[in-house]
Amino acid sequence: GDSVTQMEGPVTLSEEAFLTINCTYTATGYPSLFWYVQYPGEGLQLLLKATKADDKGSNKGFEATYRKETTSFHLEKGSVQVSDSAVYFCALISNAGGTSYGKLTFGQGTILTVHP
Amino acid sequence: KAGVTQTPRYLIKTRGQQVTLSCSPISGHRSVSWYQQTPGQGLQFLFEYFSETQRNKGNFPGRFSGRQFSNSRSEMNVSTLELGDSALYLCASSLGTSVQETQYFGPGTRLLVL
Repeated sequence: GDSVTQMEGPVTLSEEAFLTINCTYTATGYPSLFWYVQYPGEGLQLLLKATKADDKGSNKGFEATYRKETTSFHLEKGSVQVSDSAVYFCALISNAGGTSYGKLTFGQGTILTVHP
Repeated sequence: KAGVTQTPRYLIKTRGQQVTLSCSPISGHRSVSWYQQTPGQGLQFLFEYFSETQRNKGNFPGRFSGRQFSNSRSEMNVSTLELGDSALYLCASSLGTSVQETQYFGPGTRLLVL
C-alpha cells in the first residue's frame, strides 16, 4: 500500500537557519504530493503541493520539488522564523481510482522548533 | 469564503457511550473526508463521502460510521466508545470531482474517553 516516511524529529533550529525536512514515499501510479502544517491546538493547513514529476510547490518561503526518480518531496526554507514553529506533515494521494477517493496518506509528522 | 467548520470542538465521554461529530464543508465542496489523529498512530483515514454516498473507507471497526446530508454536511458516529478512541478527529472537504484534489481541513474535534 501507499506510505510516506518523514525524517526523524524533532528539529530544533535558530532563527534564520536553513531548514530541510526529508520526505520519501511509496505509492501506486502517480500520486499528488502535499505538505501540511499544524499549529498547536489547530487543524491542518495546506502549505504547498505538487501534482506531477519535477513540479515545484512553493508558499511563504517554503519549497518542495516532486522527484519521481528518488520518490522524494523534501521541504526546504532558506531562513526560518520563530513563527514557523509547528508540526509539518508530508502526505500523498494516489491516482489508483476508487480506493483513492478522499484518502490522504500521511507521514508521521516532524516537530519544528525555532529559537530566537 | 468560510472554511471548514467542526462541532463540537471538545467532548468528554465515558466508555460505552456513543458520540456524534459534525462537519460543515466549504461552500461548493461536495466531498468530506474524516481522519483520526493520535500520538501513537498519527493521522489515519476513516472514510470519505460524496453526494451522500460513502465512496471510500479506511481500516476502522464498524463502530465508526458516518453519513452525509444533501447540503454536503457530514456527521460521524462512534458507538460503544473505548479508551483508545480518544483522539483529534479532523474532517476535510474538497470539490469531489477528481481523485487527487486538495483537501482543506477543519480545526478538529478533540474527543476524550474516560
